[in-house]
Amino acid sequence: ETGVTQTPRHLVMGMTNKKSLKCEQHLGHNAMYWYKQSAKKPLELMFVYSLEERVENNSVPSRFSPECPNSSHLFLHLHTLQPEDSALYLCASSQDLGSTDTQYFGPGTRLTVL
Amino acid sequence: GDSVTQMEGPVTLSEEAFLTINCTYTATGYPSLFWYVQYPGEGLQLLLKATKADDKGSNKGFEATYRKETTSFHLEKGSVQVSDSAVYFCALTPVEGGSYIPTFGRGTSLIVHP
Repeated sequence: ETGVTQTPRHLVMGMTNKKSLKCEQHLGHNAMYWYKQSAKKPLELMFVYSLEERVENNSVPSRFSPECPNSSHLFLHLHTLQPEDSALYLCASSQDLGSTDTQYFGPGTRLTVL
Repeated sequence: GDSVTQMEGPVTLSEEAFLTINCTYTATGYPSLFWYVQYPGEGLQLLLKATKADDKGSNKGFEATYRKETTSFHLEKGSVQVSDSAVYFCALTPVEGGSYIPTFGRGTSLIVHP
């Protein structure tokens, strides 16, 4: 138990659906992250938020839309996804965006796009 | 830009064997260095870290020493167990440039047989 929860744990959706992934951290951290983990590929950083402000957007397609309403919650809104978007989506948090800060990861949402 | 290079996996060992997973990095200055571990079906979790040159991080019998001269942070364990089977990620966080976004290696899968 890392203090970071993600729901749902598994999601199957069609290409025309709209869904949202939710992440919640109970650690009092100020920074939150979304990563994409695909088989045979490096971990891909998608978005970074610090104090609810987006500070990094790594050329992610617009069909992925993040939202950070407060420092404890992070969402990833999905629409018109492609089969190649099937992956494990990991949320993480850290105390701040400091160089020595440890990242705490949630268990991930396994997304399958049909 | 910053980068982290890990040895290709999978690494397959028998129980009680000695483990080394190599990690080298490219970065300016003295980044903080981390090893994260991902057990099947879970997110990543911190295994150990070192924040300055010659520091040794250690946890659960694993060790890694921050070697500035060789830009390396190799992970070692004297006697592995079946329960150590997981994917291991080396990572760095820069200390210069004002951006503390972490960079991860591709991960090394470890399989330990009884």
